Amino acid sequence: KAGVTQTPRYLIKTRGQQVTLSCSPISGHRSVSWYQQTPGQGLQFLFEYFSETQRNKGNFPGRFSGRQFSNSRSEMNVSTLELGDSALYLCASSPRDPGSYGYTFGSGTRLTVV
Amino acid sequence: KNEVEQSPQNLTAQEGEFITINCSYSVGISALHWLQQHPGGGIVSLFMLSSGKKKHGRLIATINIQEKHSSLHITASHPRDSAVYICAVGSETSYDKVIFGPGTSLSVIP
Repeated sequence: KAGVTQTPRYLIKTRGQQVTLSCSPISGHRSVSWYQQTPGQGLQFLFEYFSETQRNKGNFPGRFSGRQFSNSRSEMNVSTLELGDSALYLCASSPRDPGSYGYTFGSGTRLTVV
Repeated sequence: KNEVEQSPQNLTAQEGEFITINCSYSVGISALHWLQQHPGGGIVSLFMLSSGKKKHGRLIATINIQEKHSSLHITASHPRDSAVYICAVGSETSYDKVIFGPGTSLSVIP
């Protein structure tokens, strides 16, 4: 079965712009969670969606937002991009609770802000 | 103090060596995960465990809930095992929140 698909794989944006990243979970998975990975901070939890509802959010500013559609596909948006937003953004899907049921990661979107 | 810690931070081993990576945590957890990340970013979930021990091929993961400690062992290490190994815990109080360790970078030399 198809894995978790993230698009685009690479992205270059300018400071001040906004960006939207997409994640298609494994068929049947209803939970999608997003993570940011930077060399200095490691992997950090952004937010998690289940059945179109955001259930939990990490410690990120309001410029980071997301949503989930009825087919479980999810998007995350970052507005007013800053240089520090350059990172690998990973999404993962899970049948229900990623902490307890495990998750499958996508390959990530590498965002560079210049 | 970080909620999830790993040791060592970096590890270099000769092919064939037995490797141990440790993870300790300070929060109540629903489950603990070991992840493998290869250069390029792809992450693979290796194990999810909440008690005891699991084995998959040359990989063994153990957890001691009382001591809040887990270990990942690699037997007969191989250069293709070179990767970053990340310990992650699912929060007991917020079941959908995951806390990651800083990762252990492993390099296995032929």
